[in-house]
Amino acid sequence: DTEVTQTPKHLVMGMTNKKSLKCEQHMGHRAMYWYKQKAKKPPELMFVYSYEKLSINESVPSRFSPECPNSSLLNLHLHALQPEDSALYLCASSPGNRDRVYEQYFGPGTRLTVT
Amino acid sequence: GEDVEQSLFLSVREGDSSVINCTYTDSSSTYLYWYKQEPGAGLQLLTYIFSNMDMKQDQRLTVLLNKKDKHLSLRIADTQTGDSAIYFCAETHNQAGTALIFGKGTTLSVSS
Repeated sequence: DTEVTQTPKHLVMGMTNKKSLKCEQHMGHRAMYWYKQKAKKPPELMFVYSYEKLSINESVPSRFSPECPNSSLLNLHLHALQPEDSALYLCASSPGNRDRVYEQYFGPGTRLTVT
Repeated sequence: GEDVEQSLFLSVREGDSSVINCTYTDSSSTYLYWYKQEPGAGLQLLTYIFSNMDMKQDQRLTVLLNKKDKHLSLRIADTQTGDSAIYFCAETHNQAGTALIFGKGTTLSVSS
């Protein structure tokens, strides 16, 4: 099973709302990622969690707040977003083991629209 | 610095072979990947190659790596309309938690 699930599939929120994106994997992977993808562009890394600890934050604005409650779950909390934050938000996971190939498996994404 | 370059578009007829090319600049790259993204969907890992390999074949897919020229290619044999998608070349390094560096993606259009 190489499945990464994300909920919701679509989300429309106003600039004053607070919402959360959720990601789950049951492959025993120890590294999890959030990417942002604008239309016709490659994914851009936002955050990396390795063994449930935040290891990379790519200078993402504080209106995006990640959380890794356990090794299977990754959340992205959203607050006071701007219309330019509208994008496809992709979650990914990888084994995170030095003896394994670091292939990343992606979820289907959450299509976020900020109005 | 790290940079991955791809041509933006490729158009082929059904049944032909498709070749998507990629160049990268970081000679320390350990793993190189090809991902496929269909419209409105996430990324699907197609195949990967270790940097000490020259070629890898997996059913209709053949990956060729020229380390000297830092050139990677993906050949799809007997291209089908279902292969129409954006194909991303990506690289990473041998450290836990290191993220992928993607090219801009090549849009493959297959006509019947």
